[in-house]
Amino acid sequence: EVQLVESGGALAQPGGSLRLSCAASGFTFNKYAMSWVRQAPGKGLEWVSAISSSGGSTYYADSVKGRFSISRDNSENTLSLQMDSLRAEDTAVYFCAKDAYGGISYYFDSWGPGTLVAVSS
Amino acid sequence: EVVLTQSPATLSLSPGERATLSCRASQSVGSSLAWYQQKPGQAPRLLIYGASNRATGIPARFSGSGSGTDFTLTISSLEPADFAVYYCQLSANWPTFGPGTTVDIK
Repeated sequence: EVQLVESGGALAQPGGSLRLSCAASGFTFNKYAMSWVRQAPGKGLEWVSAISSSGGSTYYADSVKGRFSISRDNSENTLSLQMDSLRAEDTAVYFCAKDAYGGISYYFDSWGPGTLVAVSS
Repeated sequence: EVVLTQSPATLSLSPGERATLSCRASQSVGSSLAWYQQKPGQAPRLLIYGASNRATGIPARFSGSGSGTDFTLTISSLEPADFAVYYCQLSANWPTFGPGTTVDIK
């Protein structure tokens, strides 16, 4: 059974940094692209970033480009999101999501329960 | 940038009724569309990919159709567990979600 478990969410100050992690199990992690998707309180879903199965290619939404960095450790089956220069509008639940295919299809067939990031002074 | 709109915003129906949800893209996206179901406090669940393919384990009462700019998610006979928010999503660069349709109990 695929399991994705996010961690690292917390209260941060504007301009601060956080690092989110996602522990993956139940599938061959190094064969699938992964993404982060966020959801502001009471709002819809927003794709944030994606990384290829090897980690060699990364992609970002314009809203986070230059501030967030996605990475993965295939030896540890872990996905990470380094979040710098945080803004109030980054407040959201952050979901780790598995791509349905080996390449980047942006069909997300498994999701973690999410971790809450709150940015406030 | 492709914009997705969903209608209606809210659909009030009774169990056993048929639900028809619409998703429209601002430009043609071929069949690069997915549908997700989300319940309060839970992560989304993939229902449909490639506009009309049911994901693994999704009941046959869920079906997707359409291509180009107009897409439909149909739930043939609503079960109590189906009352939730439904999002369509463009699966091409860059992935975009629609604003959602809430299906609630009438």
